[in-house]
Amino acid sequence: DAGITQSPRYKITETGRQVTLMCHQTWSHSYMFWYRQDLGHGLRLIYYSAAADITDKGEVPDGYVVSRSKTENFPLTLESATRSQTSVYFCASRAVGYEQYFGPGTRLTVT
Amino acid sequence: DAKTTQPPSMDCAEGRAANLPCNHSTISGNEYVYWYRQIHSQGPQYIIHGLKNNETNEMASLIITEDRKSSTLILPHATLRDTAVYYCIVTAGGTSYGKLTFGQGTILTVHP
Repeated sequence: DAGITQSPRYKITETGRQVTLMCHQTWSHSYMFWYRQDLGHGLRLIYYSAAADITDKGEVPDGYVVSRSKTENFPLTLESATRSQTSVYFCASRAVGYEQYFGPGTRLTVT
Repeated sequence: DAKTTQPPSMDCAEGRAANLPCNHSTISGNEYVYWYRQIHSQGPQYIIHGLKNNETNEMASLIITEDRKSSTLILPHATLRDTAVYYCIVTAGGTSYGKLTFGQGTILTVHP
């Protein structure tokens, strides 16, 4: 299917475990982004990428790692999950000069 | 990126126009005004954006004041499905990253 997808949609994990959230887009957009949204708050930027192998930190990068070996994929890894990382995670992509398109989100609970 | 100020909530009757204001008094010359909305817990959805001229698309109209320090998003005939959080965001567009800094937005409730 064309568009931007995220997997899994829901995930429960334990404190200290590593978890990877996947993001895939079919448009070959150059830019990709990861945001988190906590209850009652707006979205905050975690990491972003301008192209394959080019990534940069956003507003709240601590505790997260990203990679971008292929243009269409932008996985987000929590190396050692903490309860404070319980959140809804949104991935987005953007072509140069155009608006961002968001995925459906992954709801992550860390117990 | 310039900060924006929006009212925390607004109400609108179904079928009427919804006019959502946004102040961005520190906007720079190369920054665009973008509007997104988020329905319930879905991913944000792009609505419209503009630099200095008024813009219209199939979803909404964007009116930007001549000094660019404020703007208004207009949903011409609001429906119940337009109930959402509306975010006004100022960011550099074009070939820049176009990073979005989300504030608290305006909760628009459309009543029958």
